[in-house]
Amino acid sequence: DQQVKQNSPSLSVQEGRISILNCDYTNSMFDYFLWYKKYPAEGPTFLISISSIKDKNEDGRFTVFLNKSAKHLSLHIVPSQPGDSAVYFCAASLFAGTALIFGKGTTLSVSS
Amino acid sequence: NAGVTQTPKFQVLKTGQSMTLQCAQDMNHNSMYWYRQDPGMGLRLIYYSASEGTTDKGEVPNGYNVSRLNKREFSLRLESAAPSQTSVYFCASSEDRAGGDQPQHFGDGTRLSIL
Repeated sequence: DQQVKQNSPSLSVQEGRISILNCDYTNSMFDYFLWYKKYPAEGPTFLISISSIKDKNEDGRFTVFLNKSAKHLSLHIVPSQPGDSAVYFCAASLFAGTALIFGKGTTLSVSS
Repeated sequence: NAGVTQTPKFQVLKTGQSMTLQCAQDMNHNSMYWYRQDPGMGLRLIYYSASEGTTDKGEVPNGYNVSRLNKREFSLRLESAAPSQTSVYFCASSEDRAGGDQPQHFGDGTRLSIL
């Protein structure tokens, strides 16, 4: 049973617009949520994270929102740029856990 | 900065052959991990090492063994490769336990095909 779900395999956005990537989870014991970005033939790169005690974290063009009651988080990219085109993975960690649990990823395509 | 280095980058094996995937990190991290990624899937944890001298099973450990050789190196061994082990393998490290304040750093992967 998937504990971290990314239900949209792909998303297409025009340059300059907002990209919103969504993630749902089932385990209320997760204490941190992270977003990773992955280009082809490279490893995932850490993008931004949020603690379960917060509802928003911002870093430049990237903002992550957490809605614990809905067990839902989202990554907003504003403005989107062609270089943002990549696969985005949502991941979660358990309190005192030892590894991350990943979603299947969403492929973002930003067209100029 | 090298970060996490994986060797080899590509490998083709025949069913039944053995192979060791190498991973080294230069960030003085305590924890290291091996994941596999299959098409349309997220990364799934094979084994991890919370600290030098310790290893534990992850979600999909069957058919694999690991060795935490020292603080820098964590190897993954396939004793008798099977076509189901065709995948991209990622090694990662983190300062301590995985989490938002201790993000994992990944290597660029080893693409393994088993015929």
